[in-house]
Amino acid sequence: AQSVAQPEDQVNVAEGNPLTVKCTYSVSGNPYLFWYVQYPNRGLQFLLKYITGDNLVKGSYGFEAEFNKSQTSFHLKKPSALVSDSALYFCAVSRGYQKVTFGTGTKLQVIP
Amino acid sequence: DAGVTQSPTHLIKTRGQQVTLRCSPKSGHDTVSWYQQALGQGPQFIFQYYEEEERQRGNFPDRFSGHQFPNYSSELNVNALLLGDSALYLCASSPGTGLYNEQFFGPGTRLTVL
Repeated sequence: AQSVAQPEDQVNVAEGNPLTVKCTYSVSGNPYLFWYVQYPNRGLQFLLKYITGDNLVKGSYGFEAEFNKSQTSFHLKKPSALVSDSALYFCAVSRGYQKVTFGTGTKLQVIP
Repeated sequence: DAGVTQSPTHLIKTRGQQVTLRCSPKSGHDTVSWYQQALGQGPQFIFQYYEEEERQRGNFPDRFSGHQFPNYSSELNVNALLLGDSALYLCASSPGTGLYNEQFFGPGTRLTVL
């Protein structure tokens, strides 16, 4: 069975500082990995995905993520955090035609 | 492009009742997936519809059923509601069933079961 772990319920970072939101996964075979963001009372919005190729993936709003196969990780990063980045972030994994499994989410709080 | 739309926005039911939630996918998308998101949790996959058939199903009982119409819109039906069914129900659409595609989510329907 595939699974996703987001070890931090909440991450606090000062505005302008770099941010990292952690994600590790477990799946047999090559994974497809995703990051989504959820603002209050809203549905999820796609940020970026890793399918194959370059381990560093760039996405929307200046976010990027690094796929590390040996550590089975897919951490979300941004060089300089904005207050507007404050939201709930979900990592997800799928494998081809298998269902998508989401993590429990990490609340990002960017402090002005 | 209206994106993914869901109705109603909120719904209050009592235990034992039945509920129907509706979803219209993003223009050009033919695949609809439904998710249940309990408070403080990540979305849990319920099922996926493509070509008017259920293609995949998560670990949900038969009380949860669905339908897809020729225009790709979809319904989620839940029978014999339990208190534990209270959650945000999200619909997501994508072009095709391959889950390597990003999904576009609607704003959700908040279901409260009393």
